[in-house]
Amino acid sequence: DGGITQSPKYLFRKEGQNVTLSCEQNLNHDAMYWYRQDPGQGLRLIYYSQIVNDFQKGDIAEGYSVSREKKESFPLTVTSAQKNPTAFYLCASSLRGPDQPQHFGDGTRLSIL
Amino acid sequence: KNEVEQSPQNLTAQEGEFITINCSYSVGISALHWLQQHPGGGIVSLFMLSSGKKKHGRLIATINIQEKHSSLHITASHPRDSAVYICARGEGSQGNLIFGKGTKLSVKP
Repeated sequence: DGGITQSPKYLFRKEGQNVTLSCEQNLNHDAMYWYRQDPGQGLRLIYYSQIVNDFQKGDIAEGYSVSREKKESFPLTVTSAQKNPTAFYLCASSLRGPDQPQHFGDGTRLSIL
Repeated sequence: KNEVEQSPQNLTAQEGEFITINCSYSVGISALHWLQQHPGGGIVSLFMLSSGKKKHGRLIATINIQEKHSSLHITASHPRDSAVYICARGEGSQGNLIFGKGTKLSVKP
């Protein structure tokens, strides 16, 4: 079955450490997205990519980095510059263009030790 | 300011009740999305609609483009419907979404 796989489900980070969240899809979607979810807030866009080797910053990109070397993969790195990284992170994918339904992974919950 | 507003924020219902969740937005759109977030965190897309009404099982979504308002209805609610329901509007030409804060629904047996 096609879908999106995020790993790990839970992740712990020490102060000053970079961590990478994995997102893989086998839906043959060109577009991929990373969102952050905090309690009481709507999902906020971190980065998105419409095509391989290209990506754009979303509303809250500071302290994060991404790469899109393959169509299937869109890893997110939470750098030590992100001062408040504790959150739930969701990856999504869709066909390119407006008004396309997005398919979501099950999320990664990141906590600071 | 969040451009997508949902009400209510929290909703508790008894099994079998008819449920309505509302969503309003401030700019013209071509489509609105309804999503369901399970207690474990995973999100499923329920509907994408640009006019009129769509129905899937016990779920019905309606939209009034002129009034910038959409509703999600659940008929004969069941405890397994307990989840957070999120509406989102499209932004720009690249498929990005602006999300509401969600409505947390709890259906009691």
